[in-house]
Amino acid sequence: GENVEQHPSTLSVQEGDSAVIKCTYSDSASNYFPWYKQELGKRPQLIIDIRSNVGEKKDQRIAVTLNKTAKHFSLHITETQPEDSAVYFCAASKTGGGADGLTFGKGTHLIIQP
Amino acid sequence: KAGVTQTPRYLIKTRGQQVTLSCSPISGHRSVSWYQQTPGQGLQFLFEYFSETQRNKGNFPGRFSGRQFSNSRSEMNVSTLELGDSALYLCASQLRTEITYEQYFGPGTRLTVT
Repeated sequence: GENVEQHPSTLSVQEGDSAVIKCTYSDSASNYFPWYKQELGKRPQLIIDIRSNVGEKKDQRIAVTLNKTAKHFSLHITETQPEDSAVYFCAASKTGGGADGLTFGKGTHLIIQP
Repeated sequence: KAGVTQTPRYLIKTRGQQVTLSCSPISGHRSVSWYQQTPGQGLQFLFEYFSETQRNKGNFPGRFSGRQFSNSRSEMNVSTLELGDSALYLCASQLRTEITYEQYFGPGTRLTVT
């Protein structure tokens, strides 16, 4: 089955700096890659996603890039703010997260230092 | 639209008992997936229901089962509870069309097995 590796497990950055979280996947048939943000005690919240026919997608301060050849994708957060502090999860799926479910990475705890 | 709802939010059970958790998806969404979240294993796919049919199941023992009703509400059941079943159980709602892949999570049910 699919295996998703996520790095780093903890990332501490100064407020205003950029943060990058990287994930690799094993199944070349995977075609959908969402990112979720989970604050302490809250539900995972979808923040951005990308499909395999697209190399990059941007939404304000957040961007995701996908390299299908290398089977890795990354989350980029620019101009980080205190409210960006949370655990971020990457995921992959072959059927758009449908019947086969999402396979998640272990998460990255992002800490924004004031 | 109302978001995904789950009941109960917290449960304490004794080893050997069984438990039933409920999930109501976003109105109009026909797919419900269930995930288990633990500190050690992270987020793991349990199973997915679409139009009252289980489409796929993750790598969990047969003690974990579920069902979906005609109004898309879903329940999951865990029989003969073990200490290791203590976790946050999340359901995710999906419209499930050829062009919409997004999954939206409910707040979860925190199950503690003593």
